[in-house]
Amino acid sequence: DAKTTQPNSMESNEEEPVHLPCNHSTISGTDYIHWYRQLPSQGPEYVIHGLTSNVNNRMASLAIAEDRKSSTLILHRATLRDAAVYYCIPQYSAGNKLTFGGGTRVLVKP
Amino acid sequence: DTGVSQDPRHKITKRGQNVTFRCDPISEHNRLYWYRQTLGQGPEFLTYFQNEAQLEKSRLLSDRFSAERPKGSFSTLEIQRTEQGDSAMYLCASSFPWGKVTEAFFGQGTRLTVV
Repeated sequence: DAKTTQPNSMESNEEEPVHLPCNHSTISGTDYIHWYRQLPSQGPEYVIHGLTSNVNNRMASLAIAEDRKSSTLILHRATLRDAAVYYCIPQYSAGNKLTFGGGTRVLVKP
Repeated sequence: DTGVSQDPRHKITKRGQNVTFRCDPISEHNRLYWYRQTLGQGPEFLTYFQNEAQLEKSRLLSDRFSAERPKGSFSTLEIQRTEQGDSAMYLCASSFPWGKVTEAFFGQGTRLTVV
């Protein structure tokens, strides 16, 4: 499994953008990059995934570096409900296990 | 609610006792995963099933742990002779692999406290 490096924590003000970096320099060419988040007292939930191109969905955007060794999850306008631990997970094959690292704890200040 | 369901949500047991947790996945999902999470850490993979077949087990899954998915639907995770180090959140997830990406859906977990 590819190793990932994420900051332990980040703070943001409400309604401001949050940029969450992830380094995955050992990623293989076939690994998709997944992001999950875990709200307090909840199981993790899927946020977004991508392979090479930047991706957008209703929750977030994912910007993938051209060399794929890093990616950034972007929350465009953070709300208090976005306070969670965000995990970046390279996954090489559909259906295989997700390998979680320590993630980034996002604190959103009102 | 058609999400992943886990039972019980909380379990307190005395050291040395056996405990069993149940996971009901989303009905059409053929893959089921078990994870363990301790405070401040990310979830750690324990094992997964495709239908009723257990395809992979982590080294974390000692011989005191056993998981089953007898009919390819619900799954149970049993811990025998519990130890204080088994105290953790046990998470279940399910998925239906399609294409090249799988979205896993997690339950809310069973929190085990061994006293």
